[in-house]
Amino acid sequence: SQTIHQWPATLVQPVGSPLSLECTVEGTSNPNLYWYRQAAGRGLQLLFYSVGIGQISSEVPQNLSASRPQDRQFILSSKKLLLSDSGFYLCAWLNLRRLSGANVLTFGAGSRLTVL
Amino acid sequence: GDSVTQMEGPVTLSEEAFLTINCTYTATGYPSLFWYVQYPGEGLQLLLKATKADDKGSNKGFEATYRKETTSFHLEKGSVQVSDSAVYFCALSDPSNYQLIWGAGTKLIIKP
Repeated sequence: SQTIHQWPATLVQPVGSPLSLECTVEGTSNPNLYWYRQAAGRGLQLLFYSVGIGQISSEVPQNLSASRPQDRQFILSSKKLLLSDSGFYLCAWLNLRRLSGANVLTFGAGSRLTVL
Repeated sequence: GDSVTQMEGPVTLSEEAFLTINCTYTATGYPSLFWYVQYPGEGLQLLLKATKADDKGSNKGFEATYRKETTSFHLEKGSVQVSDSAVYFCALSDPSNYQLIWGAGTKLIIKP
């Protein structure tokens, strides 16, 4: 069965420090991968998506970046965090071979980032 | 462009009450429609989906019917429980791409 892992689950970082959030998917190949952010009390904001290794599309210009070094690994990074980067970050995957007429996303458990 | 509009929350109900969370959409194509649920501190989980007009998605006592004439996909449950307290997201996907369009989410609070 397919599973998705995110880590770390929670972290507290000072302003100006770097960030690395990691997401891996098991039990599937060539998934579409997504990073979303959910600010406190707000809806979902798509940050990045990837259709393959090394292919990253950015939806919102900001100080975050994403990379996909392997087929089932998706990394969210920042060189210098801002206070506004605080939020709940969610990784998700979509297996194109199982569309069956509906694009169902499967989400990880999330990473809660607090920037102080 | 495509969009999804959900009723604003929070919605506060007593246990065993009837629930309706409204969701309407605008889309140029023939989207699939979804409800996702997010329990406190967790990621999102697919609750139910419908892929074409008049389809009814159902799961865990929740139901939603894809109404093309009213462009709606309202979520209903006959008798809510405290454990249903969560944030509910309505979403649509355009079959021509792999993106989902999300509603803002509706927080549901069930009091015992």
